[in-house]
Amino acid sequence: DSGVTQTPKHLITATGQRVTLRCSPRSGDLSVYWYQQSLDQGLQFLIQYYNGEERAKGNILERFSAQQFPDLHSELNLSSLELGDSALYFCASSPRASELISYEQYFGPGTRLTVT
Amino acid sequence: SQELEQSPQSLIVQEGKNLTINCTSSKTLYGLYWYKQKYGEGLIFLMMLQKGGEEKSHEKITAKLDEKKQQSSLHITASQPSHAGIYLCGADTLNTGNQFYFGTGTSLTVIP
Repeated sequence: DSGVTQTPKHLITATGQRVTLRCSPRSGDLSVYWYQQSLDQGLQFLIQYYNGEERAKGNILERFSAQQFPDLHSELNLSSLELGDSALYFCASSPRASELISYEQYFGPGTRLTVT
Repeated sequence: SQELEQSPQSLIVQEGKNLTINCTSSKTLYGLYWYKQKYGEGLIFLMMLQKGGEEKSHEKITAKLDEKKQQSSLHITASQPSHAGIYLCGADTLNTGNQFYFGTGTSLTVIP
């Protein structure tokens, strides 16, 4: 158990809908990362937050957005869902974030999103 | 863009055999991570390497980062069925907006 929790575990929704995925980082970790894992694209970095502020952006679509709240939990919002958005969405956390030093990331169990 | 290439894509070994998985980058790596994933589950952090020439071990798994910090290898000694899974290398580039990249993974099967 990494200490990172994600809810829900599974989500099935229809195209065009909007969903929110939730992540609680490990106790004391300030940085949260979101990833998307699909069979054809592999594990793709979406976005990183550090202590409530956006820190880095990866391959995140404009239909997707995220935020980190004062209690450090984070939410990933996916809107106007398409079939291709079906994937495993992972959240990870790390103690800090720096442009000079790497910190290991601890991953949650993931949310499996199925868009029908 | 930063890409990590892993080889081999899949590996089937007899229990007790040694094996090596490689991860190669076209650019200098600032942090190189190794993770293990069971299908459909979360990633389990194994090791992180930062310095050129660095080597770390945990139980029967050893990871190395070459001097140029562009290649890493993961070596498993005397493999066991519990080692089976997908091994992913990941890296961050720092200094370029903190981008994080992962390799495509190596699927390891250990036959008892």
